[in-house]
Parts: sequence; structure tokens; C-alpha cells
Amino acid sequence: GEDVEQSLFLSVREGDSSVINCTYTDSSSTYLYWYKQEPGAGLQLLTYIFSNMDMKQDQRLTVLLNKKDKHLSLRIADTQTGDSAIYFCALRDGGYNKLIFGAGTRLAVHP
Amino acid sequence: NAGVTQTPKFQVLKTGQSMTLQCAQDMNHEYMSWYRQDPGMGLRLIHYSVGAGITDQGEVPNGYNVSRSTTEDFPLRLLSAAPSQTSVYFCASSDHPFTYEQYFGPGTRLTVT
Repeated sequence: GEDVEQSLFLSVREGDSSVINCTYTDSSSTYLYWYKQEPGAGLQLLTYIFSNMDMKQDQRLTVLLNKKDKHLSLRIADTQTGDSAIYFCALRDGGYNKLIFGAGTRLAVHP
Repeated sequence: NAGVTQTPKFQVLKTGQSMTLQCAQDMNHEYMSWYRQDPGMGLRLIHYSVGAGITDQGEVPNGYNVSRSTTEDFPLRLLSAAPSQTSVYFCASSDHPFTYEQYFGPGTRLTVT
């Protein structure tokens, strides 16, 4: 089955850029997502990218997709303390109506 | 709109007890799903529904039952709770089958002793 991997922890200084990486195994995924989870809350969709795109930019967020290497990344420019959260990469399972989530990357922003 | 609501927020059960986690949405979404979140494992799909009267199993369905008698409600039943079911449970809904934004509830933290 599909496997989605993320590093578990990232620490950055306030004002720097953060890059959260995700690798996956199923090349038939048509939609790839980034979700954000703040402490004690549910997940909130940050952004998504279609598999026929290489890049998507949305204000401080840049998503890069390398289909050849099956690598997805989320770059957050000018990272703020309010960006501290867990970020989940998720892919639509190519053949089924379900999302496959990575384990999540905890982003810690320090002054 | 309240979005997706879940009750209770916290629950402690003894092994063997049963209970129902409630989920409701007021966005008229056809698609609803239940996930569990365990440390270091991301979210795993338990059951999902593509409309009233239609449910299907996800990745980890054992020990859980669901029903969907209305568009708004999608309760999750634990028939005989086990410590392995200690987790945080999230309900989600969307107006398309996982191709667009899923709206998540705030979660229910369940502990089984």
C-alpha cells in the first residue's frame, strides 16, 4: 500500500524560512495536501497541489512537487511563532476514496 | 455554520465498555469519515460514508461500527473497548470524496483503562 514519510521534528528561528519534506511511494496520487494541526485542534487544510503541477505558491506558502523523486515539500517564508504546529502531508490513494497521511512534522519556531 | 462538531471532547472507559462518539456537520456534505490519530503514526481511516445509508471500511475498522441514517450525523460506536483503542478520534466531512478540502472536527480524546 501507499506509504508517506515525513521527518518528525523541525526547529527554526523566527523570520527564517521553514522547509517541511514528504516522500511517498504511490505515483498515481492525483491530489497532494498539506494540513496544519494546532495544539488541541483538528486538522485544517493549508494548501493542495494537483499531480500535474510542479509548484504552487499561496502567500507565504510554496509547495514543490517532484514527481520523479516522489517528493513533496512545503516552504513557509518568514516563519512566525503562530506557525508552530504539526504539519501533515496527505495523498489521495490512487485507487480508493481515502487519504493517506504522513506521521506529521512538528514545527517549533523560536525567537 | 458550526462546521463539524464532535462530542464528547474527552472520555475514559474501562475495558469492555461500549460507547458512541458523536459527529455532526451542518454543511450538507455527502462525505464523512472517522480517523484515529496515534503518536508517530499520523491519521488512519477507520470508516467512511459517501452518503446517507452508505458506509464502508477504512484502513483500521476492527472494533468499530458506524451508521449514517442522515446526511448530518455519523456516529462511531465502540462495541467493547480495548486499551488499543486509546487514541484521539477525528471526524471529517467534505463535499467531494477526498479530492477537495476535508473539514475536521476538534477531536475526541479517548482513554481505555
